[in-house]
Amino acid sequence: GESVGLHLPTLSVQEGDNSIINCAYSNSASDYFIWYKQESGKGPQFIIDIRSNMDKRQGQRVTVLLNKTVKHLSLQIAATQPGDSAVYFCAENGRRDDKIIFGKGTRLHILP
Amino acid sequence: DGGITQSPKYLFRKEGQNVTLSCEQNLNHDAMYWYRQDPGQGLRLIYYSQIVNDFQKGDIAEGYSVSREKKESFPLTVTSAQKNPTAFYLCASSFPPSGSRNEQFFGPGTRLTVL
Repeated sequence: GESVGLHLPTLSVQEGDNSIINCAYSNSASDYFIWYKQESGKGPQFIIDIRSNMDKRQGQRVTVLLNKTVKHLSLQIAATQPGDSAVYFCAENGRRDDKIIFGKGTRLHILP
Repeated sequence: DGGITQSPKYLFRKEGQNVTLSCEQNLNHDAMYWYRQDPGQGLRLIYYSQIVNDFQKGDIAEGYSVSREKKESFPLTVTSAQKNPTAFYLCASSFPPSGSRNEQFFGPGTRLTVL
């Protein structure tokens, strides 16, 4: 069946270090993947996306890597800052009905 | 200033009462969605609508109802049939999946507490 999950529910990173958040998906037909950031008490915010015809995409301080062979997605945050503290969700969309499947999320803690 | 608004931010209701959560968008998006989020959990799809006057059940539609009479609005009613309605409710919208991206834009959420 289709599923999107995360390897680690909580990740603690020293301020200034790089963060890597991982995600596994099971639907090989998925062709679009998104990372969202959700701060406490707020709605998720789009961070970055990637199509299945790419294996890497970079944004400002963030990079998404897609490995279709092992159905793995990761989000890299460079030089982690206190404002990066949030829950990060990966999501996939492989169907024409526009439904997106969300993973359970990883909470990122920034240590001073 | 485009975006999605949800109201109210906090909502309390007595057990056995129906309650309607508002969601409005001025992004000219065709598709709208309602999700439920429980503490420490991901998002679960309740209902979605790809076009005005049409909507489909998501994964957890029981105890909920929606309407889509206008493109800009997609209200969600939590009925007394919903056994565990206390949760954080998120509304989202998007363009149809015909372009190069179809990210969903989220509102700020409504936290519903049943007393």
